Amino acid sequence: RKEVEQDPGPFNVPEGATVAFNCTYSNSASQSFFWYRQDCRKEPKLLMSVYSSGNEDGRFTAQLNRASQYISLLIRDSKLSDSATYLCVASGGSNYKLTFGKGTLLTVNP
Amino acid sequence: NAGVTQTPKFQVLKTGQSMTLQCAQDMNHNSMYWYRQDPGMGLRLIYYSASEGTTDKGEVPNGYNVSRLNKREFSLRLESAAPSQTSVYFCASREGTEAFFGQGTRLTVV
Repeated sequence: RKEVEQDPGPFNVPEGATVAFNCTYSNSASQSFFWYRQDCRKEPKLLMSVYSSGNEDGRFTAQLNRASQYISLLIRDSKLSDSATYLCVASGGSNYKLTFGKGTLLTVNP
Repeated sequence: NAGVTQTPKFQVLKTGQSMTLQCAQDMNHNSMYWYRQDPGMGLRLIYYSASEGTTDKGEVPNGYNVSRLNKREFSLRLESAAPSQTSVYFCASREGTEAFFGQGTRLTVV
């Protein structure tokens, strides 16, 4: 079983839609969690960290449920510029390892 | 501010040839990483270095070696390239939360 698993997608949504991505992690020692965004043929870039209390950054909301080992990302009022691959990331304990999910491709259509 | 610099950006190798992918960061980060990205597989960790002088295997280390030359530089070596190593390779560095990625090296082994 992969350490970080995501919705396989792809997701195709119209502009203005709300879309949710789900992710689970298997290593209970994981301590830090992130969502990264990767545009086509570019490097991944940090979108936001994920905290147990949940956190919001504009149209983006991230949630973490440690008991279920589940992470989510909600995008409200989707824009064309949100089209990208979204990567769920877990970082474990003291070994500094960053483990990525396979990513979910989002296409926002006009 | 260069961030993470990878060289080369593109490379074609013949089976059995060797090469070294170079990575340097100017952010004084302790942790550095090498990933490969293949279609449908996401980012898979090859090797990482939590700090200068230490390296550890990731998920797919076979066929690769690494050197953490100093705090700035972390190189990835393919001793005898195989077609299965055709991929996009990303180097990253991290201190605390966010990992910063280089622009990637597109390697084709024929």
